[in-house]
Amino acid sequence: DAKTTQPPSMDCAEGRAANLPCNHSTISGNEYVYWYRQIHSQGPQYIIHGLKNNETNEMASLIITEDRKSSTLILPHATLRDTAVYYCIVRSNSGGYQKVTFGTGTKLQVIP
Amino acid sequence: NAGVTQTPKFRVLKTGQSMTLLCAQDMNHEYMYWYRQDPGMGLRLIHYSVGEGTTAKGEVPDGYNVSRLKKQNFLLGLESAAPSQTSVYFCASSYFEITERFGGNTEAFFGQGTRLTVV
Repeated sequence: DAKTTQPPSMDCAEGRAANLPCNHSTISGNEYVYWYRQIHSQGPQYIIHGLKNNETNEMASLIITEDRKSSTLILPHATLRDTAVYYCIVRSNSGGYQKVTFGTGTKLQVIP
Repeated sequence: NAGVTQTPKFRVLKTGQSMTLLCAQDMNHEYMYWYRQDPGMGLRLIHYSVGEGTTAKGEVPDGYNVSRLKKQNFLLGLESAAPSQTSVYFCASSYFEITERFGGNTEAFFGQGTRLTVV
């Protein structure tokens, strides 16, 4: 599995865009970038995923660099409820199964 | 997180006791996973299953056993609990991987967690 590197913590003012970076310099061509978040004491929640192109859904946008070595999750208008740990992961696709490996993530604190 | 249910939500065990954590999903997913989460460690994969009747070791399998007798259930067992197994345990499930050529959403759905304390 490709390793991912994320900053341990970030602050963002409420109403502003939160930009969460992730490095995955050893990603291989068929590996997707996924983002999950975990609000305190709850199970992780899927946010978005992508392979090469930028993606957007009702929760966030995902920007993947052309060389695919890094990506940024964008929460366009952060709210207090977005305070959570955000995990950037790369999905393995070896031997027909998928294994989801989580790192330590970025703790995002949205400040009023 | 509709669809993935973990029981129990909380449990306190004495060292050496055994217990089984149950994970149930109603989304007909092929893949199921057990993770543990400790402070500062992120989520670590214990065991996983790629289908009914199959199991495989993850990153930290020692001290745990699993079974997938029915597609919808994935059981995590602790035969002889140790204080080092104090943790929050999360179960997850997902669809079979579909290649990029056909697209496909392979997100994982998580349960709400089981907080286990071994004293």
